[in-house]
Amino acid sequence: DAMVIQNPRYQVTQFGKPVTLSCSQTLNHNVMYWYQQKSSQAPKLLFHYYDKDFNNEADTPDNFQSRRPNTSFCFLDIRSPGLGDAAMYLCATSRDWNEQFFGPGTRLTVL
Amino acid sequence: AQSVTQPDIHITVSEGASLELRCNYSYGATPYLFWYVQSPGQGLQLLLKYFSGDTLVQGIKGFEAEFKRSQSSFNLRKPSVHWSDAAEYFCSVGPSSSASKIIFGSGTRLSIRP
Repeated sequence: DAMVIQNPRYQVTQFGKPVTLSCSQTLNHNVMYWYQQKSSQAPKLLFHYYDKDFNNEADTPDNFQSRRPNTSFCFLDIRSPGLGDAAMYLCATSRDWNEQFFGPGTRLTVL
Repeated sequence: AQSVTQPDIHITVSEGASLELRCNYSYGATPYLFWYVQSPGQGLQLLLKYFSGDTLVQGIKGFEAEFKRSQSSFNLRKPSVHWSDAAEYFCSVGPSSSASKIIFGSGTRLSIRP
């Protein structure tokens, strides 16, 4: 089945230790998104790639970076995680601006 | 400014009862409208979408929603809920040209009373 896969599902890191979250898709969608979702809140868009074009939301901290080496993969890098970065991170894909397909998420814990 | 409002933070309904979750939006043009469902610890799953045409749209799991332009609403309905419908529901508004303006409502948590 075509799908969006996120690895790992659970990630524990230490305060200030860089961490990378992974997203892959078999849908061949040209748009990939990263969202941050904190408990009982709506997902917050961090950035997205439209094909190879990177689009950063204005209020996304510099601590968050992303890479998209090819159509299928997208990575979220958190350079120096703080306690406030503990959240669920959701990857999504879409064909242009049609409906988004979400992965199961990565739960990040910062100790 | 664009916005999405889900006025009900938490709703509890009895199993078998009907359901309506409210969504109001503020947007300059006719937006794309979506309802997503999220089970605990999971990603979001699309229930239904409205782009244009028939204002009553059918989705998965027996859900439907009606777009009412005059009321700027896109309410989600289900005639008879099942215990498995307990989840968080998000209304989303998005344009056709810029993902940066995709907006999620704050969500409505649905609990089912046995």
